[in-house]
Amino acid sequence: SYELTQPPSVSVSPGQTASITCSGDKLGDKYACWYQQKPGQSPVLVIYQDSKRPSRIPERFSGSNSGNTATLTISGTQAMDEADYYCQAWDSSSHVVFGGGTKLTVL
Amino acid sequence: QVQLVESGGGVVQPGRSLRLSCAASGFTFSNYGMHWVRQAPGKGLEWVTVIWYDGSNKYYADSVKGRFTISRDNSKNTLYLQMNSLRAEDTAVYYCARKGTTYPAFDIWGQGTMVTVSS
Repeated sequence: SYELTQPPSVSVSPGQTASITCSGDKLGDKYACWYQQKPGQSPVLVIYQDSKRPSRIPERFSGSNSGNTATLTISGTQAMDEADYYCQAWDSSSHVVFGGGTKLTVL
Repeated sequence: QVQLVESGGGVVQPGRSLRLSCAASGFTFSNYGMHWVRQAPGKGLEWVTVIWYDGSNKYYADSVKGRFTISRDNSKNTLYLQMNSLRAEDTAVYYCARKGTTYPAFDIWGQGTMVTVSS
């Protein structure tokens, strides 16, 4: 079965750029999405189709996907961005795979 | 507003059954594929199952295949998850999620309902 691998944790200073990676075999041939989840809350879509942002998501969130790695980048990271982030792709037309999640700490 | 509200969670003994519901509002439910995603305590997201907009196709994660059944009633704007032969490892918060069309990803999530499998 298809697997997506994320680093368990990433730390960033306020105002700096955070990058969270997601690796999978030929992931660049699939579309990747990213979700933000804060404690006690449901996930929120922040990036879809590799690099597109829903209208309500701040411009500091961006994404890319090439080769075996998708990357979520948060520019000018703010304290409110501290959360768990999950990548997601479609294994086939209907099966879904999530990465293990990355805890972003803003310190 | 666009909303998904899950219900039906609770504490159940191993081997027993439970049915979850997800009530949709604020959008044309019958136009969208719907998914269940679960999250064990302190763990990551795990995809469980999907049903197409018209109920014509259903797919399951290997971990629940043969035990869980997804269904929908488009006349009632409601999604269901019938869970049989429950195991301790099924303990999780269960979310229903809509696969969007404007945003082809899980663009709307419910608040989740907790299922605890314990004797």
